[in-house]
Amino acid sequence: QKEVEQDPGPLSVPEGAIVSLNCTYSNSAFQYFMWYRQYSRKGPELLMYTYSSGNKEDGRFTAQVDKSSKYISLFIRDSQPSDSATYLCAMSGNSGGSNYKLTFGKGTLLTVNP
Amino acid sequence: GAGVSQSPSNKVTEKGKDVELRCDPISGHTALYWYRQRLGQGLEFLIYFQGNSAPDKSGLPSDRFSAERTGESVSTLTIQRTQQEDSAVYLCASSLVIGVGGDGYTFGSGTRLTVV
Repeated sequence: QKEVEQDPGPLSVPEGAIVSLNCTYSNSAFQYFMWYRQYSRKGPELLMYTYSSGNKEDGRFTAQVDKSSKYISLFIRDSQPSDSATYLCAMSGNSGGSNYKLTFGKGTLLTVNP
Repeated sequence: GAGVSQSPSNKVTEKGKDVELRCDPISGHTALYWYRQRLGQGLEFLIYFQGNSAPDKSGLPSDRFSAERTGESVSTLTIQRTQQEDSAVYLCASSLVIGVGGDGYTFGSGTRLTVV
């Protein structure tokens, strides 16, 4: 079992839809949880950053972390064609003092159709 | 510069050749990271530099891979005797201070390496 599992999709939704993306993980040492957005031929850009369990909201984006279930989610409300990209979950922990090492999911390719 | 700059953006090389990839971090960023993104796979950590401290090389996949960084400036990732499985996008990121849990990372656009 890989440390981080993410459904690669592809996921196609109409403009205005609510999008739900998620990842599961196996390493209970993970404490820092991130969602990155990656456009084609570009580097990942940080969307959401969460420490430990709970919810975080930023505009149309909401990140949820459930450490008891080892499950994280990203919700996108009122999705726009400009949201079309690959979404990567990433996480890290304090194990061995190397919390700078990120473990990534494979990414989910999202297309929002106008 | 305004962002993390990587060069070349694309590199095609013959199997067995050596390649050198370059990363210019954001000015003032003390921490620098290299990741590899193979097709259909998540990003894999390769190496981490923090100022003048010894780098964390734990992610380098084989002794054909090496990286250098002088102080807080440019870093180069060298792959010797390239193999087809080295084909991937090599991404560099930097952060102002040690990126606790990935906070503050800025990634470059990567170097797409193809080994034929």
